[in-house]
Amino acid sequence: QVQLVQSGAEVKKPGSSVKVSCKASGGTFSSYAISWVRQAPGQGLEWMGGIIPIFGTANYAQKFQGRVTITADESTSTAYMELSSLRSEDTAVYYCARGYYGSGRTYYFDYWGQGTLVTVSS
Amino acid sequence: SYVLTQPPSVSVAPGQTARITCGGNNIGSKSVHWYQQKPGQAPVLVVYDDSDRPSGIPERFSGSNSGNTATLTISRVEAGDEADYYCQVWDSSSDPSYVFGTGTKVTVL
Repeated sequence: QVQLVQSGAEVKKPGSSVKVSCKASGGTFSSYAISWVRQAPGQGLEWMGGIIPIFGTANYAQKFQGRVTITADESTSTAYMELSSLRSEDTAVYYCARGYYGSGRTYYFDYWGQGTLVTVSS
Repeated sequence: SYVLTQPPSVSVAPGQTARITCGGNNIGSKSVHWYQQKPGQAPVLVVYDDSDRPSGIPERFSGSNSGNTATLTISRVEAGDEADYYCQVWDSSSDPSYVFGTGTKVTVL
């Protein structure tokens, strides 16, 4: 059984950065496709980017390119998402999720972290 | 970017059937996945690859996909089905690669 456990809530000032962690257990972390999805208050789900640790290279949604960095540490089975130049609109719950490549030849998210609330406020 | 459109809300009486649509250009050519999200909780996968159910998801949840519309059907609706539901597709050649629908709030009357 895969489990994804995220770091705790954060309160940040505008212009600063935040780094959220996602520790995985169960399965083979290096072959996971870990994504980060955020949800602003009362809003829908938005994919930010993802990484497959064994390949090491992350890919990002164009909207976040240049502001987000996703990394993975295979030695600790932990993925990280760092978002910089924070603004109030970045206030959201940030989820990590495992992407699974199914028989339909597409990815879907079969396991999710519990979410981390990031509040950006002066 | 690819857009998935869902109705904002669907209301249904207990025991009846709820149908949630997800509209997208030629969505029938893609695999569609569905998530249930209850307040304060992470999303949960309820249907993948258009119509398959993960283990532990009741048979009351089913899906279909054709043309420009995918549909999640919840039969014999229960109070515990009240939640937000999101469709999702993946396309490696698109930006973003993962697209979620706008979300539908299902209210059990």
